[in-house]
Amino acid sequence: DIQMTQSPSSLSASVGDRVTITCQASQDITNYLNWYQHKPGTGPKLLIFAGSNLGTGVPSRFSGSGSGTDFSFTISNLQPEDFATYYCQQYDNLPITFGGGTRVEI
Amino acid sequence: QVKLVESGGGVVQPGRSLRLSCVGSGFTFYTYGMHWVRQAPGKGLEWLTLISYDGKNKEYAESVKGRVTLSRDNSKDTLYLEMNSLRPEDTAVYFCARDHHTSGRGYFDYWGQGTLVTVSS
Repeated sequence: DIQMTQSPSSLSASVGDRVTITCQASQDITNYLNWYQHKPGTGPKLLIFAGSNLGTGVPSRFSGSGSGTDFSFTISNLQPEDFATYYCQQYDNLPITFGGGTRVEI
Repeated sequence: QVKLVESGGGVVQPGRSLRLSCVGSGFTFYTYGMHWVRQAPGKGLEWLTLISYDGKNKEYAESVKGRVTLSRDNSKDTLYLEMNSLRPEDTAVYFCARDHHTSGRGYFDYWGQGTLVTVSS
């Protein structure tokens, strides 16, 4: 199985901050890497697909980059509604695997 | 708009069975692959299963392989997950998710709100 190591596991930030999360795959996954936002009581929401592509209706303050084994996800100008948990996910190989999540707190 | 609604969760004793359902609306259900993903209390997301648009291809995580039956009824726009021999470690919120590709080998572009399964005596 491909292991996805996501860091940090949590972070504290303020409105207006720039936040970066990293995700490292245990083997080359090309760009088969997605990022999701998850808030309690709801289903996760797709933000970034295939490494760097913005999901439908997703604000441009969200961005993703990377390929191979190292990826990053950035929220520029953090907004109040962005406080949530973020997950990376690889879909290059089965089983599909997720990173451990990053909780973004005020 | 695209909507996925899970149901069938509840409290069940260890060793018993449960069938979860996921109804899709607002899109042509039969043209998309579908997934089940779960989140145990205080834990992250765990992928469980995928099924192709026509139900012919199914894949399972090792944690549930042999204990679940995955199916879909495209005439009812519904995805099913029958879980057998339930264990306390199966306690989780179960989400269904739509794959953007017919094969189920793409990204998950829409998710349901989840249904809680609690396995306890």
